[in-house]
Amino acid sequence: GQQLNQSPQSMFIQEGEDVSMNCTSSSIFNTWLWYKQDPGEGPVLLIALYKAGELTSNGRLTAQFGITRKDSFLNISASIPSDVGIYFCAGQLTNAGKSTFGDGTTLTVKP
Amino acid sequence: NAGVTQTPKFQVLKTGQSMTLQCAQDMNHNSMYWYRQDPGMGLRLIYYSASEGTTDKGEVPNGYNVSRLNKREFSLRLESAAPSQTSVYFCASNLAGGRVEQFFGPGTRLTVL
Repeated sequence: GQQLNQSPQSMFIQEGEDVSMNCTSSSIFNTWLWYKQDPGEGPVLLIALYKAGELTSNGRLTAQFGITRKDSFLNISASIPSDVGIYFCAGQLTNAGKSTFGDGTTLTVKP
Repeated sequence: NAGVTQTPKFQVLKTGQSMTLQCAQDMNHNSMYWYRQDPGMGLRLIYYSASEGTTDKGEVPNGYNVSRLNKREFSLRLESAAPSQTSVYFCASNLAGGRVEQFFGPGTRLTVL
């Protein structure tokens, strides 16, 4: 099946720094999604991208749908302690709602 | 509006025991999903139900069965639990029809001894 390679696996940053993570696939997707998971909870959607080349922001978060439709990245600007968690990318090929998830990027923010 | 709810939150089973994980959503969503999450890994799709009355296998269906009881409820059953099924199980739902965002429940943490 389709697989997503998400990097980096983990990040340790200082509060106030910017963060960048990405996801690549060997096959194309029609939709890219970015989720955040806090400890002990389910993932929560941050940003959804529907078109190749699309750049979308949600507060301090910015995500882009790669032109080739095989990659996406997520940037977090001016990180704060509550940004701590696991960030997952997910790709969808059809609008049936089935998602393929990356293995996640664990973010630690030091005050 | 509770969103997606799951019961139980925690469960410990012995090898060979059976149990059913319950999931319900109150958002009038058409599609529902069951995922498992193992340490250091993303979510892998077990089964999904695109609409009431239909179910389909996902990436890792072996050892599981599902029932879409009605539009609100989607249960996951382990007939004979194995240690390899120790995981965190998440239920999710979405509206479908082009709205792809999934809403997740809080998870069920299952340990099989």
